[in-house]
Amino acid sequence: GENVEQHPSTLSVQEGDSAVIKCTYSDSASNYFPWYKQELGKRPQLIIDIRSNVGEKKDQRIAVTLNKTAKHFSLHITETQPEDSAVYFCAASNYGGSQGNLIFGKGTKLSVKP
Amino acid sequence: EAQVTQNPRYLITVTGKKLTVTCSQNMNHEYMSWYRQDPGLGLRQIYYSMNVEVTDKGDVPEGYKVSRKEKRNFPLILESPSPNQTSLYFCASSSRQAFFVNTEAFFGQGTRLTVV
Repeated sequence: GENVEQHPSTLSVQEGDSAVIKCTYSDSASNYFPWYKQELGKRPQLIIDIRSNVGEKKDQRIAVTLNKTAKHFSLHITETQPEDSAVYFCAASNYGGSQGNLIFGKGTKLSVKP
Repeated sequence: EAQVTQNPRYLITVTGKKLTVTCSQNMNHEYMSWYRQDPGLGLRQIYYSMNVEVTDKGDVPEGYKVSRKEKRNFPLILESPSPNQTSLYFCASSSRQAFFVNTEAFFGQGTRLTVV
């Protein structure tokens, strides 16, 4: 089955700096790669996703890149703000295939210092 | 309002006493899953379902049961809870309708279970 590795487990940056979180996956059939943000005491919520037919996607200060050959994808947050502090999870799925389930990485706790 | 509803939000129980955590979604989603969240271990999948009467084990299914008799409901059953099942549980649902849209997984509010 799919296995997703996520690094780093914790990340501390100064407000205004950039943050990068990296994930690798094992199943070459995976074709959907979302990122979820979980604030303290709340449920995970989707912030951005990318499908296997594109290499990069951007939404304001957030971008995700995908390298299918190397089987890794990354989340980039620019101009970080204190409200970006949260736990971020990457995930991978073979969407529409025999398994429609999401497999998550272990998460990255991002702290943005004012 | 589109939502996934879990009940209860908090539960303290004793070892061996059967319990059920309910999950219901109103978005007509095909996929539903249960995850447990433990510090340092992220979100680990317990069971998932691709549609009515179709369920399969995730990474950590031992000690849990599920059923999918109706599309909207996906209850998680602990027949004989043990302290190592103390955790935060999330139900999630997503659509299989189209790959390029509607793929977001929506999570319930979470159920914090303590087994003593």
